[in-house]
Amino acid sequence: AQKITQTQPGMFVQEKEAVTLDCTYDTSDPSYGLFWYKQPSSGEMIFLIYQGSYDQQNATEGRYSLNFQKARKSANLVISASQLGDSAMYFCAMREGPETNAGKSTFGDGTTLTVKP
Amino acid sequence: GAVVSQHPSWVICKSGTSVKIECRSLDFQATTMFWYRQFPKQSLMLMATSNEGSKATYEQGVEKDKFLINHASLTLSTLTVTSAHPEDSSFYICSARDRYNSPLHFGNGTRLTVT
Repeated sequence: AQKITQTQPGMFVQEKEAVTLDCTYDTSDPSYGLFWYKQPSSGEMIFLIYQGSYDQQNATEGRYSLNFQKARKSANLVISASQLGDSAMYFCAMREGPETNAGKSTFGDGTTLTVKP
Repeated sequence: GAVVSQHPSWVICKSGTSVKIECRSLDFQATTMFWYRQFPKQSLMLMATSNEGSKATYEQGVEKDKFLINHASLTLSTLTVTSAHPEDSSFYICSARDRYNSPLHFGNGTRLTVT
C-alpha cells in the first residue's frame, strides 16, 4: 500500500482564492512527521510546512496551513490568497519514527497546481 | 537557514562514461544524506541513504555497483553513476537534515543526460 497518497494530479485555482491540496498517509508508527514541499518548474524543492504527529494544533506558515486530521490520516495543505507564483508541483511527504528508517521520507506522487490570473 | 549545495546542476555525458555528483551541506554537519531520483512530472524516488563513515543503505531495486555513494566527511556525499546509459538520464537530487525533526534541505538537483 502506498504510504502517501495525493489523489489530485492537477488542480486549478483562480488568483486570490484559496485552494486545498489533499494528502492521506498510512503508517502504524505513533511518531511521524508530515511535510509539504513545493517544486517550481526550475526543479528546486522548497519546504513549506511541517506537522508532527503529536502536535495538537494545525501548523500554519504565512499563507500555508495544514489541516491535520489524525484519525482520518489526512494532512491537507491549504493555500490562501493564491498567487501566480504558487503555480508549481506540490509534494506531501512523511518521515516515520524516531528510531527507524534513519529518518528517511516517503513522498506522494505530487499535485500540479496552476493559478489562473 | 541550512543550505545544501549540489554540483553540477546539469551534465551531459556519453554512454559508458561515469559521472560524479557532489552534495555538500554548507552550514551544518550531516551524518546522513539522502539521494533521490525524479523522472519528469513524477515523484521523488529514494535511491539510497548515505551514511558518513560507513556504507550507504540502498533501496530495493537500486543497483549498488551502478550508483556508487561515498560519504567521506560530515559535509560531503557523492553519487557516481558508473557506466552510464541513456536510461540513467534523470533528475538526481540530494537532501539532508540539520537536526532530527527538521525538514529535508535539498540541493538544487542535477539533470543528467546520457547520449
